[in-house]
Amino acid sequence: LAKTTQPISMDSYEGQEVNITCSHNNIATNDYITWYQQFPSQGPRFIIQGYKTKVTNEVASLFIPADRKSSTLSLPRVSLSDTAVYYCLVGDKGSGAGSYQLTFGKGTKLSVIP
Amino acid sequence: NAGVTQTPKFQVLKTGQSMTLQCAQDMNHNSMYWYRQDPGMGLRLIYYSASEGTTDKGEVPNGYNVSRLNKREFSLRLESAAPSQTSVYFCASSEWAELNTEAFFGQGTRLTVV
Repeated sequence: LAKTTQPISMDSYEGQEVNITCSHNNIATNDYITWYQQFPSQGPRFIIQGYKTKVTNEVASLFIPADRKSSTLSLPRVSLSDTAVYYCLVGDKGSGAGSYQLTFGKGTKLSVIP
Repeated sequence: NAGVTQTPKFQVLKTGQSMTLQCAQDMNHNSMYWYRQDPGMGLRLIYYSASEGTTDKGEVPNGYNVSRLNKREFSLRLESAAPSQTSVYFCASSEWAELNTEAFFGQGTRLTVV
C-alpha cells in the first residue's frame, strides 16, 4: 500500500505562493499522484494529477522529482477562496484484480489569511 | 449534467433504525464509491464498486451494506444505525477504479444517529 504523509495544516497570506509537500516513499511503478481539494461542507474536487516531472494547469502546478518518493503541490498567489483541505493520493490496489481504491488521508488544511 | 447526486442531504435516525442512502451518477462511469467523513478527519472508504455487478469492502465496511443496482446507481444501507455512524457520507464515481482517472463526488449526506 502506498501511504502518504503531508503536513496537517499550513497558513499563508493572500497573494503568496503556497507549496504543500507529500511524501510517498513506497510508491509503485504504475502509480499516479493525484491531488484533491475540499471546501467545507462539500465533496472533494480533483485539481491536478501527474506521474513524473512537472504538470501545470490553470489551478496549480505539481512537481515530482525523479525518484517519485515525494511530490509538491504549488498554488500560485493564493486568495481567501483557496482556504480548503488538500489531499494527496497515490494508487492503492484493492482486492479485485486490476482495481484500485481511492484512499484519502487527513490532508493538509490550508488557511489563507487576509 | 447533474454529475453525482446523493439523497437525502440530511437525515436524523434513532439508534437501531435502518435507512438507505441513494447515489446516482449520469456520467456513464463504471466505478462508484462510498466514503464517510467524521469531523476534522479525512475520508474513509466504506465500500466500492469497480464495475457494475461487483462490490468490494473498503477500510471501514462494518455496519454497512451496499448494492450496485445498475451502472448509474450505488446505494449504501445501514441496517441498524448506531451513534458511531454519525458522519457525513460522500458518494463518488470515476470512469474506472484506477487512480489515474478523475473521481467526481456528490455533495454529501449529513447523517446524525441519536
